[in-house]
Amino acid sequence: QKEVEQNSGPLSVPEGAIASLNCTYSDRGSQSFFWYRQYSGKSPELIMFIYSNGDKEDGRFTAQLNKASQYVSLLIRDSQPSDSATYLCAAYAGNNRKLIWGLGTSLAVNP
Amino acid sequence: DTGVSQDPRHKITKRGQNVTFRCDPISEHNRLYWYRQTLGQGPEFLTYFQNEAQLEKSRLLSDRFSAERPKGSFSTLEIQRTEQGDSAMYLCASAGGPIYTGELFFGEGSRLTVL
Repeated sequence: QKEVEQNSGPLSVPEGAIASLNCTYSDRGSQSFFWYRQYSGKSPELIMFIYSNGDKEDGRFTAQLNKASQYVSLLIRDSQPSDSATYLCAAYAGNNRKLIWGLGTSLAVNP
Repeated sequence: DTGVSQDPRHKITKRGQNVTFRCDPISEHNRLYWYRQTLGQGPEFLTYFQNEAQLEKSRLLSDRFSAERPKGSFSTLEIQRTEQGDSAMYLCASAGGPIYTGELFFGEGSRLTVL
């Protein structure tokens, strides 16, 4: 059973702090990884994707991938209350296979 | 707006009734996915179309669920004889490009409540 695992949270951080969200995956064939943000009652929205080992930065967001450890993370710098949402991690193994989704981590940024 | 659109956004129905949801993907996208999501869970794959062909359907999906994409554009998802356990958010997503990279663009979702 191919799985993506995330801590469900809630992860609570003060405004301005760094929020660190983690994800592990079981399929070593996974090629690309996605972080989606989902506000309550809304649909998922892609915020980052990564397919190479190392870091990828986009504004306040940094995705980190370590394929040897089968580990993906998302760092949110200068966290804002508007970042409060559930963050879903997903893995894609190529060859038109389905995305494998984690259950999501709930993040609360406290003013 | 050129994003993925879904209709209706909310549907309340009585157990045993049939419901149909519509999804209009991004116009140049040839791939279309239906997912179901309940509170505290990640999206659960239901089915996938490439153009008009339904290439995969979840084995978890009962025969009460059917989906079509007749002309490779919009898609419909029908649930027959609804049950309370069908209450969920039904998400449509599309993807395009010559090589699928895994990125999905979601619609706003259709929330179903079965009484």
